[in-house]
Amino acid sequence: GAVVSQHPSWVICKSGTSVKIECRSLDFQATTMFWYRQFPKQSLMLMATSNEGSKATYEQGVEKDKFLINHASLTLSTLTVTSAHPEDSSFYICSQNGASSVIDTQYFGPGTRLTVL
Amino acid sequence: AQSVTQLDSQVPVFEEAPVELRCNYSSSVSVYLFWYVQYPNQGLQLLLKYLSGSTLVKGINGFEAEFNKSQTSFHLRKPSVHISDTAEYFCAVSGTGGGNKLAFGTGTQLKVEL
Repeated sequence: GAVVSQHPSWVICKSGTSVKIECRSLDFQATTMFWYRQFPKQSLMLMATSNEGSKATYEQGVEKDKFLINHASLTLSTLTVTSAHPEDSSFYICSQNGASSVIDTQYFGPGTRLTVL
Repeated sequence: AQSVTQLDSQVPVFEEAPVELRCNYSSSVSVYLFWYVQYPNQGLQLLLKYLSGSTLVKGINGFEAEFNKSQTSFHLRKPSVHISDTAEYFCAVSGTGGGNKLAFGTGTQLKVEL
């Protein structure tokens, strides 16, 4: 499977600040990456699909101006939580499809725990 | 759109006993099915997947699952569990037609006890 890393693994910030989370593909080039959010004891909810070189596609109910996604290269996608508030505290996980041209499996990063005070 | 139902939120089981975690899906198109495991404060690790072919799929750590189209199920099984299998297990589904959006179930907490 593919190897995906995220940085930072955890972050604590003050309300009103912005936080950037990086998602890196370590062993292949990913044209598509996905960003999920997971609240405690809940399932993963897809936030957006990140496409290299183009705008991200956001799921219904996700504010694109609050959750900025940049997929500037085939190995890096970033999620910036702007003007974070306590309700944005969550576990953010990215995933990638792997190198196969047949897109069938997602490989997940280790996640980033965001706590907004 | 596809959806997944995991009816059991928690499954307690004694070590070395067999276990089955249930997953049912809903879709109007052909599907791919997946089971992922999540350990505390970690991302998801792929256990196994069904894409096509044999309906019995074997994965890592001794897990297996069987795709049953008539019952729209993809239950996860292990004949003998270990303490280290204690984790959250997620069933997920996607359509085969591209886009590859995964829909996850709500998860089942497997707790293995001595």
